[in-house]
Amino acid sequence: QQQVKQSPQSLIVQKGGISIINCAYENTAFDYFPWYQQFPGKGPALLIAIRPDVSEKKEGRFTISFNKSAKQFSLHIMDSQPGDSATYFCAASGGSNYQLIWGAGTKLIIKP
Amino acid sequence: DAMVIQNPRYQVTQFGKPVTLSCSQTLNHNVMYWYQQKSSQAPKLLFHYYDKDFNNEADTPDNFQSRRPNTSFCFLDIRSPGLGDAAMYLCATSTIWGGTDTQYFGPGTRLTVL
Repeated sequence: QQQVKQSPQSLIVQKGGISIINCAYENTAFDYFPWYQQFPGKGPALLIAIRPDVSEKKEGRFTISFNKSAKQFSLHIMDSQPGDSATYFCAASGGSNYQLIWGAGTKLIIKP
Repeated sequence: DAMVIQNPRYQVTQFGKPVTLSCSQTLNHNVMYWYQQKSSQAPKLLFHYYDKDFNNEADTPDNFQSRRPNTSFCFLDIRSPGLGDAAMYLCATSTIWGGTDTQYFGPGTRLTVL
């Protein structure tokens, strides 16, 4: 019940396309859902985060869509660029679980 | 710029030879974390400090220890590294304990065990 399941494991998208990464969770006490972006040889960095009181949050080309009833959330990257090539991790926390529960990660490659 | 600094960036040690990794922060955050990240995996929390209060994750091996002498510095000691301890070690900070606060990560130390 503590897991966050992330898919796909890897994703190749053409430049200018839309990249979509999905995550699902079981623990209904989770109330914070961040996405971290990690470039090779770097530590993860917070990209965008959402709380379940809203169904969507947009920051520039990055959008989180949140479906509370389905217990799913996804990251959409519009107009994907080669510079977006990185590993993306979804995560969740909340309830009695104060630490971040991480998804397994998605390696995204944007082809020029 | 305020940041999280890790030294060294690359560390090579021999099987069983103790090693210490260091982390410093200029963010003046109360919480410091150590994560282990193996290739193509998510970071795994080893322990965290809230100020001087040390919190060990239940599945962190006894081989791993940590020290936080002051707000700015935190050290990870691996007493007898095994081949399975080869990984990237990430230090992170946040203002408060809890996953709802943004964690700021350092660049990591890549540990190789020969």
